[in-house]
Amino acid sequence: DTAVSQTPKYLVTQMGNDKSIKCEQNLGHDTMYWYKQDSKKFLKIMFSYNNKELIINETVPNRFSPKSPDKAHLNLHINSLELGDSAVYFCASSQGLAGVGTDTQYFGPGTRLTVL
Amino acid sequence: KQEVTQIPAALSVPEGENLVLNCSFTDSAIYNLQWFRQDPGKGLTSLLLIQSSQREQTSGRLNASLDKSSGRSTLYIAASQPGDSATYLCAVNNQAGTALIFGKGTTLSVSS
Repeated sequence: DTAVSQTPKYLVTQMGNDKSIKCEQNLGHDTMYWYKQDSKKFLKIMFSYNNKELIINETVPNRFSPKSPDKAHLNLHINSLELGDSAVYFCASSQGLAGVGTDTQYFGPGTRLTVL
Repeated sequence: KQEVTQIPAALSVPEGENLVLNCSFTDSAIYNLQWFRQDPGKGLTSLLLIQSSQREQTSGRLNASLDKSSGRSTLYIAASQPGDSATYLCAVNNQAGTALIFGKGTTLSVSS
């Protein structure tokens, strides 16, 4: 009954490879997010989608491409992986409608990406 | 641009102590503020959420307060236990459906 799930939990790969991380939420939320937690444990937004449409796209290299096939899924594809991409990537979701509820964000368990 | 600061960065206390974690933010026009807990190598667990119209929220031994006008929030932990050892993150949301802006966290260690 996990609310926000991510796969894989760990991902070890070589520089230059292309990889994807999947995220699914079963909360019926409209908005999903990808956050990156760097080696200093600082969490920062990368992307946000509302009803399958891109809302936020922070200063992230275009090697990172989010894809939302439906409202419950937001996947992250990374091309030509670099050493600096090593981090923990968290998916989150919220109801996302202004003035409705508290808009609590629920986080997935994270995907630890290591680029060698 | 909203910035969130948490003080102290690390805190060590003996079991049983009451303690306060501080969070400040530069733009008072927030929608809500959330406190999270993160255990080493784990994800984030939401502890408390305070909406902009609220002054405080309580859950068990935790109490979070919000003073929006001064850009401050505190997380009060009563009768601390070793199981409270974790990193506590404060995050603000400027608008519903937008990204959380996080502080760098306070790492708490409670010794038995």
